[in-house]
Amino acid sequence: GESVGLHLPTLSVQEGDNSIINCAYSNSASDYFIWYKQESGKGPQFIIDIRSNMDKRQGQRVTVLLNKTVKHLSLQIAATQPGDSAVYFCAENGNAGNNRKLIWGLGTSLAVNP
Amino acid sequence: EPEVTQTPSHQVTQMGQEVILRCVPISNHLYFYWYRQILGQKVEFLVSFYNNEISEKSEIFDDQFSVERPDGSNFTLKIRSTKLEDSAMYFCASSVGTGGSTVDTFGSGTRLTVV
Repeated sequence: GESVGLHLPTLSVQEGDNSIINCAYSNSASDYFIWYKQESGKGPQFIIDIRSNMDKRQGQRVTVLLNKTVKHLSLQIAATQPGDSAVYFCAENGNAGNNRKLIWGLGTSLAVNP
Repeated sequence: EPEVTQTPSHQVTQMGQEVILRCVPISNHLYFYWYRQILGQKVEFLVSFYNNEISEKSEIFDDQFSVERPDGSNFTLKIRSTKLEDSAMYFCASSVGTGGSTVDTFGSGTRLTVV
C-alpha cells in the first residue's frame, strides 16, 4: 500500500548547526511533496514543497531534496534556530489527479539546543 | 494574515454522542479538508470538499462521518455515535486550488476526547 515514513523520529541539534530531516515514500506515482512544521498546540504549517519533476528546491534557510530513484525526500534547515524546534512532517499527494489527498509521514521531532 | 479558525479548541463528549466540529476556512479558498491526528501518530486524511460536495474521502471516513458547508463561511465535520477511538486532534484546512505549489492552510485543530 501507499506509505510515507520517517527515518529518524527525533533529532537534536545545536543552535547554528544545519539540520537534515529525512523521509521515505513508497508511492512512485506521487507528483507532489510537502514539508510541514507543527509547533506544540498548533496546526501544521507549510514550509516548502517540491514537484516530482524537480530534484531540489530552495527556500529561505530551507532546502528540499527529492531522490525519485530511491524514493527519498529530505529537508535541510540551515543555521538552525531555537524557533525551528517542532515536529516536521513530510507528506505526498496520493492522487495524481486534481483531488488533493495528502499521505503523511509519522513526523520527526527537532530539538534545537542553545 | 488570513487564518483558518476552528472551534471549539477542545471538545469532550460521551461515547455514543454526536459531535460537530466547526471550521471557518479562508474566505477566498475553494477547497476544504478535514484531517485527524491520533495522539503520537501521523496525520491522516479524512475528506476533501469542493463545490458543495465531497471530492475525495479516505477509508476512515465512513457513514459515521459527514461534512457540510451550511453557509458561505462555515465548514463542519459531524461525527455520529462517537467511539473511544475517535479521540484525536481534528484539523481543518483550506486551499485556493489543488495544483502543485498550492498551499494548504491549517487551523489549530480541535482536540476531541471521547469518554
